[in-house]
This record gives sequence, C-alpha cells and structure tokens, in this order.
Amino acid sequence: GENVEQHPSTLSVQEGDSAVIKCTYSDSASNYFPWYKQELGKGPQLIIDIRSNVGEKKDQRIAVTLNKTAKHFSLHITETQPEDSAVYFCAAKRGSGGSYIPTFGRGTSLIVHP
Amino acid sequence: DVKVTQSSRYLVKRTGEKVFLECVQDMDHENMFWYRQDPGLGLRLIYFSYDVKMKEKGDIPEGYSVSREKKERFSLILESASTNQTSMYLCASSLPFRQGIAYEQYFGPGTRLTVT
Repeated sequence: GENVEQHPSTLSVQEGDSAVIKCTYSDSASNYFPWYKQELGKGPQLIIDIRSNVGEKKDQRIAVTLNKTAKHFSLHITETQPEDSAVYFCAAKRGSGGSYIPTFGRGTSLIVHP
Repeated sequence: DVKVTQSSRYLVKRTGEKVFLECVQDMDHENMFWYRQDPGLGLRLIYFSYDVKMKEKGDIPEGYSVSREKKERFSLILESASTNQTSMYLCASSLPFRQGIAYEQYFGPGTRLTVT
C-alpha cells in the first residue's frame, strides 16, 4: 500500500518569510496529490492539489511542486501571514484499484509569528 | 456552500457504552469516510463507503462498525467504547474515483469523543 512521509512535523517562521513542507510517497501509481489545511477546531480543507500530469501549480501565495521520478511533492507558502498558522496535511492516492483512498502524511504544524 | 455535518462537536461516554457518531453530507457524494485523528499520527482511515449499503475496512477498523442506509448519511458505531477510543473523529465525503480522476474530500468539523 501507499506510504506518505511528511516533514517537518513543526515549522516556525516569522511573518513575511516563506514556508516549505515536503512529502514523499511510495506508490508510483499515485496520480493525485492534495494539500489540506486544518485550522483550530475545524476539519481539514483543501487548499491546493496537483495531478501527476503537471509539475507545478500556483494559487496566489501558495504553490505545489511534484517530482514524479523522485516521488516527492512540496507545498510552498510565500509571504506568510499569521492566519496561515494551522496544521497542513499532504496526501497521495493509496494503492491501485477502483477507489481513491488517500493516504495522509502525519501533518505539519505551521506557526507564523507576527 | 457544500457541507458535511457531524451530529456532535463534543461527546463524553462511559466505557462499555455503545456510541453512535452521525455524519450527513448535502453534496450527493457517493464516497464517505470516517477518520480518527490523534496527535502525531495524522488522519487514519477507519472505514469508507462508496455507495449505499457498501462499506470497506480502512487501516484501523477494530472496535468500530459503520452503517450507510442512505446516500447522504454515514454512521460510525463504537460497539463497546473503550478509553483508547478517546480521539477526534472526522467524517469526509467525495465524488467517486472515475476514469482515473480523483477528487478532493470535504471534511466535517469533527467530533471530539472522550471515553471515561
């Protein structure tokens, strides 16, 4: 089955700095890589995703890159703001078959200091 | 605005009780999921359902069962609650995986269950 490793587990930055979270996956058949943000007291919410037919995707201050050969993908947040403080989860498709069952990383707690 | 709702935000139960956690989605999604979230362990899949009355075990199904009698509702059942089931429980739904295309999951706000 799929195995997703996520690093770091905690990331502390100053407001305005950039933040990078990295994930690796094991199943070369994985083709969909979402990133979720979980704010305190809420469920995770999709912030950006990437499919295996592209190498990079941007949405304002957020970008995701994918290296299929190395089987890793990263979340980049530029010009961080205090409201970016949250737990971030990456995910990859689990195994093969007819159902998309995502396997999640263990999460990164991002703290942005004003 | 799409929505996944869970019946309770906080729940306190005693060891040995039967516990029902309810989840409802209004997006007509075929897929529904139950996860357990514990610090440092991320999101672990308990069960998922890809259609009414259909269910499959996830990574940690022991001590849990599920029920999906209607498309919009997916229930998680703790047959006999134990203290090690104290956790945050998250429900999610998504469109089905079709023609090689996967879709995002929509999560509910979670139920924090404490078993004493």
